[in-house]
This record gives sequence, C-alpha cells and structure tokens, in this order.
Amino acid sequence: TQLLEQSPQFLSIQEGENLTVYCNSSSVFSSLQWYRQEPGEGPVLLVTVVTGGEVKKLKRLTFQFGDARKDSSLHITAAQTGDTGLYLCAGARISSGSARQLTFGSGTQLTVLP
Amino acid sequence: NAGVTQTPKFRVLKTGQSMTLLCAQDMNHEYMYWYRQDPGMGLRLIHYSVGEGTTAKGEVPDGYNVSRLKKQNFLLGLESAAPSQTSVYFCASSYFREDTQYFGPGTRLTVL
Repeated sequence: TQLLEQSPQFLSIQEGENLTVYCNSSSVFSSLQWYRQEPGEGPVLLVTVVTGGEVKKLKRLTFQFGDARKDSSLHITAAQTGDTGLYLCAGARISSGSARQLTFGSGTQLTVLP
Repeated sequence: NAGVTQTPKFRVLKTGQSMTLLCAQDMNHEYMYWYRQDPGMGLRLIHYSVGEGTTAKGEVPDGYNVSRLKKQNFLLGLESAAPSQTSVYFCASSYFREDTQYFGPGTRLTVL
C-alpha cells in the first residue's frame, strides 16, 4: 500500500491546456516536496512546502499544501512541451534516528503534446 | 562541481552474482541515501547514512548492504543478486537536517 497516492498516474494534454496533479495521504508530514524527473536522469527538486495551507508559485506552476499537511496539489497553467516529465511528490517525516526520511508517491507521467 | 555521481550506469548480472554500486558526492553533504525505482512504485528507500561510518535501514533493506567509509562515498552491495532486484537505483545526498535531496543519474540493473 502506497503511503502517498498520486493521481492521475498518466496525463496527456495539448500545449496550452491547464492541469492539476494530486498527492494524497492519510499521514501527516512535516513538509512535502515536488520533484520532476526526466528520462534517464534523477529527480530534481521543484519546491518544498512546509506550512499547512501554504501556496507557492514557480512561474506557471502553483503548489499547495493541504491545511492538515496530509495532501498537496500541483497546478500547471498553459502547459508547454518542456513540462513533459514524471512528477513525484515526497513527504518528509522525522524517523526515530533523527534522520529526515522521504516517502515518495508513485508519480504522475505528464506528456504535453505540441 | 559534479554533484552526485553513480558508477556504473548500466549492469547486467546473473542470479547469484554479487556487485557493488558506487555513489560519490562533492558537496560535503552529511546525509546519503540509496533508493530503488520500479514502475508504478515511485522511489523506495533501501538504506541511508547520517554521516561517515554510520548506516541505517530504510523501507526495503533486505538483500542489500551498504558502507560509508568516507564522507563523500556511499556504497551499495548486492551479495547474491535476484531477479526481483532488477530496478533503477538512485543515490541522493543532502545537508544535515535539511530536506532537499540531490540525486545522481541512476544505475539501471538487470538480473537475469
């Protein structure tokens, strides 16, 4: 059972359309991160949200952390072909050994068609 | 700076063979991690280290061992490879007490 559920798993849209990706959990996280991964490469951090209800904008990308710090969403406005990639959310928890462990969602594969 | 590098990029093993994956980082990070990525499963933490000479188990540690003899290197070993260990392996590192993890380019391992 995935601790973090992402939806949709696959999304194919035309350039210029808007989209929203969701990341849901029954667990509370101290912070939540969004990564983007290109084929053949490792994930790259896009943003970290820490406070419940927090909204962060990164150009055409808007990230929101749920009030209860259990869920998050990523909204892309006017998608471009360069937005194509695998989007991963990751929740951070403090483990018993004081290390911050990330739990990753299964990812949303976004394809933006020209 | 090279960031996080992984060696090798690709490897094919037969069941029962052993191998070591090497991760190196030049950012003086305290924390290092090994993940595996499988289709539809996201990334799952295998082992991690909070500093030189320390290691700890993650979510899926069985069948793997790790060592952190030097701060900049984190080694992942497979003693007796199994087909279930076919995956893409990612190493990551981060500063002490910070969440941002920097990932390497990955190693694609196939066990026949």
